[in-house]
Amino acid sequence: SAVISQKPSRDICQRGTSLTIQCQVDSQVTMMFWYRQQPGQSLTLIATANQGSEATYESGFVIDKFPISRPNLTFSTLTVSNMSPEDSSIYLCSVELAGSYEQYFGPGTRLTVT
Amino acid sequence: AQSVSQHNHHVILSEAASLELGCNYSYGGTVNLFWYVQYPGQHLQLLLKYFSGDPLVKGIKGFEAEFIKSKFSFNLRKPSVQWSDTAEYFCAVNGEGNTPLVFGKGTRLSVIA
Repeated sequence: SAVISQKPSRDICQRGTSLTIQCQVDSQVTMMFWYRQQPGQSLTLIATANQGSEATYESGFVIDKFPISRPNLTFSTLTVSNMSPEDSSIYLCSVELAGSYEQYFGPGTRLTVT
Repeated sequence: AQSVSQHNHHVILSEAASLELGCNYSYGGTVNLFWYVQYPGQHLQLLLKYFSGDPLVKGIKGFEAEFIKSKFSFNLRKPSVQWSDTAEYFCAVNGEGNTPLVFGKGTRLSVIA
């Protein structure tokens, strides 16, 4: 398994500002993913972040709005840019261990945009 | 494109009742199937998984799920629920080659004494 931490655990932000969420894993992983879980809804994949390459974004998500960094095999950041109330959500980082199809999830970052 | 359907939005059961949560998926190739649980205030945890082999898989806390390929289903079961099983349950699927998980909308289970 993998232990994943996220910072911050929650934040309240003003419209038009940006927030960077950090994800740290206790082991080296190739595959990292960022998901969004809007209130009362399921998880939606934002992007796949692989070390050494550009993140791959899902339909409806763009790099200008959700820039991602993946500087090494244990760390990634997701920035939510120019926030609006519609971005209020829980943002989750997950990893897939090499040789396994299992994904492990971080505790999430609860973002509220006012 | 892959999709996952969970039939029940909210299920309310009394303690000791049996549980079955439905999950159907749509995918054209080989799939890996998962059930995740999210207890109140906690993060997602893997309950059980199916990759291949015996279609009846057992997970943690007495849960099991059966993969029925002909029905594209992976229903979650537990013979006797406890109050501590109150949580949100998510069915998820991915394909071969490190593809991302696709989640169902989730089923909220409330177990009452």
